[in-house]
Amino acid sequence: QVQLKESGPGLVQPSQTLSLTCTVSGLSLTSNSVSWIRQPPGKGLEWMGVIWSNGGTDYNSAIKSRLSISRDTSKSQVFLKMNSLQTEDTAMYFCARTELGFDYWGQGVMVTVSS
Amino acid sequence: DIQMTQTPSSMPASLGERVTISCRASQGISNYLNWYQQKPDGTIKPLIYYTSNLQSGVPSRFSGSGSGTDYSLTISSLEPEDFAMYYCQQYDSSTWTFGGGTKLELK
Repeated sequence: QVQLKESGPGLVQPSQTLSLTCTVSGLSLTSNSVSWIRQPPGKGLEWMGVIWSNGGTDYNSAIKSRLSISRDTSKSQVFLKMNSLQTEDTAMYFCARTELGFDYWGQGVMVTVSS
Repeated sequence: DIQMTQTPSSMPASLGERVTISCRASQGISNYLNWYQQKPDGTIKPLIYYTSNLQSGVPSRFSGSGSGTDYSLTISSLEPEDFAMYYCQQYDSSTWTFGGGTKLELK
């Protein structure tokens, strides 16, 4: 069955770079697209960006300058890198298989930005 | 970018009650509207895709409708497990936007 699992550091210092990994199983990244979505504590969901099955990417214009999404198809992993972190980037970060919507989600990884 | 306005933000309701959650887009979205349920433990479950199509395994008490800029999610008779957060989401030109969410609470 399709599974996605996020991993990464729970705590990042302000101004530093966040690196997260989404490991997928039950699907191929060469024929499926994956998005990153985040949710600050007590707030709603924000789509961050997508890596398409062909390796192309699209990003939320609000954070595009700070965000990079890449992948390693041989390891079935999708990566998120976001620089210049601030406290408002504290959130649960999810990865999700992407078509016109998001039909499979990971459980999420909590990231706190604090010194 | 298209903005999604979801109403109400919270809704007290009773078991067995019929409820409707609304979602309005800032411009027409050609039925590219999906709905999700988020449980208190954070788990997110897709419910409906392309306005009115139930995801596999979703009970038939859930339904979706709408067109143009206005869409809705209806639960015909609330069960205990339905008390959760609900989000609408649109797709347009390689970007996705969520509504602000509706918290369905037990009255």
